[in-house]
Amino acid sequence: GEDVEQSLFLSVREGDSSVINCTYTDSSSTYLYWYKQEPGAGLQLLTYIFSNMDMKQDQRLTVLLNKKDKHLSLRIADTQTGDSAIYFCAEYTGTASKLTFGTGTRLQVTL
Amino acid sequence: GAVVSQHPSWVICKSGTSVKIECRSLDFQATTMFWYRQFPKQSLMLMATSNEGSKATYEQGVEKDKFLINHASLTLSTLTVTSAHPEDSSFYICSANRISESSDTQYFGPGTRLTVL
Repeated sequence: GEDVEQSLFLSVREGDSSVINCTYTDSSSTYLYWYKQEPGAGLQLLTYIFSNMDMKQDQRLTVLLNKKDKHLSLRIADTQTGDSAIYFCAEYTGTASKLTFGTGTRLQVTL
Repeated sequence: GAVVSQHPSWVICKSGTSVKIECRSLDFQATTMFWYRQFPKQSLMLMATSNEGSKATYEQGVEKDKFLINHASLTLSTLTVTSAHPEDSSFYICSANRISESSDTQYFGPGTRLTVL
């Protein structure tokens, strides 16, 4: 079955880079996503990557995918206080036609 | 961009009453919508997949008679929590699947916080 794991908490200083990691078990994943959730709000899609890619960059965000190790990461450059939130990775498998979410990583940005 | 709305954003009700939550895709049509619930400090758990014009597919352990889902149009799905009890208090989030030539992506609503007294 699917299982998606993330570290629970990450604290960085403003201006530093943040790297949030995610591991998954389903090798048939077709898309992998990163979502951001601010307190009391829904999920905001940040970026996604096809399973046949190993890197995607979108402004301050860089996604790295190591399909062999089933490891996904999200790097946020020049982290700002507004980046403080919970970040969820999610995998999508066409066979199940559903998203499986990771446990979420709370990112705290300090001054 | 793709926008999904939910209504209401927050509801408080008495135990035993029913509550309806609406999920709308505002600028695209969605044949498939999803309903999740999220407990405090936890991840999202998929409750059911809502398909326009057909019955919803419920995840294991989710009571279909308690959580009624209707997907009557390509832009609207509703979740009705029937005979709500305090243990149903949670954050309910819907998403709508937008399919394009280059991607197949779920866009999420802002969530509805349900508190059952």
